[in-house]
Amino acid sequence: EPEVTQTPSHQVTQMGQEVILRCVPISNHLYFYWYRQILGQKVEFLVSFYNNEISEKSEIFDDQFSVERPDGSNFTLKIRSTKLEDSAMYFCASSEAGTWAQPQHFGDGTRLSIL
Amino acid sequence: QQQVKQSPQSLIVQKGGISIINCAYENTAFDYFPWYQQFPGKGPALLIAIRPDVSEKKEGRFTISFNKSAKQFSLHIMDSQPGDSATYFCAARMDSSYKLIFGSGTRLLVRP
Repeated sequence: EPEVTQTPSHQVTQMGQEVILRCVPISNHLYFYWYRQILGQKVEFLVSFYNNEISEKSEIFDDQFSVERPDGSNFTLKIRSTKLEDSAMYFCASSEAGTWAQPQHFGDGTRLSIL
Repeated sequence: QQQVKQSPQSLIVQKGGISIINCAYENTAFDYFPWYQQFPGKGPALLIAIRPDVSEKKEGRFTISFNKSAKQFSLHIMDSQPGDSATYFCAARMDSSYKLIFGSGTRLLVRP
């Protein structure tokens, strides 16, 4: 079964540094998402992306965050100047379409630790 | 308004028993309610989903019951197995939005 692949599985970064989290969505999917889960808390939506544009973002997704589809297969989340509170598990997801009928498939996540 | 409240936080069930996890919401604009299953070290995986035009949906041992007037929905796992031990998240979504709004999760342990 096709999978969403995320790399690295664990990223350790010094506070203030830039970090890029990478995702390879399922190949025929057109909609891409990032979610995060702070340890012990619920999964929270960050952003959705379609046709090379952000289609929706949450209040968490401020100016320090950006997303990009640099080529035909990768989808990245960049955090420009990391803060301690950015430590979380970051999940990438993708779906064939943006409607409810096409479920979002999640990757296994990247654990981001900010020191 | 945007929240989905999930209970219990944790649940222990004997093998063969029924596991029941409940969720409640306020926003009547929600029109899609999936349940996700998450094993340690893995991402959430869609288990079963329902829309408000039906009151129940069953897939194998997993059933969603939906009460539109009470704004509540629940997941029932029949004949629970140790392999069902995982964290379960309910979620909700509006048709006008791409985002899934997750509940806080229920950690299920099924004892052999």
